Amino acid sequence: SQTIHQWPATLVQPVGSPLSLECTVEGTSNPNLYWYRQAAGRGLQLLFYSVGIGQISSEVPQNLSASRPQDRQFILSSKKLLLSDSGFYLCAREGADGANVLTFGAGSRLTVL
Amino acid sequence: DQQVKQNSPSLSVQEGRISILNCDYTNSMFDYFLWYKKYPAEGPTFLISISSIKDKNEDGRFTVFLNKSAKHLSLHIVPSQPGDSAVYFCAASVAAGNMLTFGGGTRLMVKP
Repeated sequence: SQTIHQWPATLVQPVGSPLSLECTVEGTSNPNLYWYRQAAGRGLQLLFYSVGIGQISSEVPQNLSASRPQDRQFILSSKKLLLSDSGFYLCAREGADGANVLTFGAGSRLTVL
Repeated sequence: DQQVKQNSPSLSVQEGRISILNCDYTNSMFDYFLWYKKYPAEGPTFLISISSIKDKNEDGRFTVFLNKSAKHLSLHIVPSQPGDSAVYFCAASVAAGNMLTFGGGTRLMVKP
């Protein structure tokens, strides 16, 4: 199973508050993991990817950060949320066969007010 | 600079007819292409893929066509069903196993 668990599913936060979105994955060890964001009316934007514990690459400069404290855990964080951080956040992992058919989690809907 | 573009944000089709979703890319190094389908409040799910050594790949009602010279691919759904109503994303990579670049998505509405 390559199941991906994301929580919380829905989150409403005030501007300036902190954020922590968690993603845990099942299946083969040492997967490549990704955080994507889908803003309203827009496509999927790659935010971060990780090829292993403690290894994070950022694709877009912003006030978000990511961490990978364990092999199957990927966390998206912010110290101070902006209105523009609202969106649908998706965690994904690469397929076990090495092909880049990504498997996505169900997503976390963040609304910043 | 968007390397993968889906110029139609939405498409409406009658049930039973053909749906054609288009995707253009600019990076000539892309050689592996995928289509994903996304329902509201869910993660995208993989639909079909094609590598640059082919110009067509078919899976049931879904067929993807690739025109490398035009840097264009399309997804055909025949016949379209109301359950196909979703947002469709095309994605591309330099090689299988490398990072995906997604288009902006096209919302398909299939009317009964």
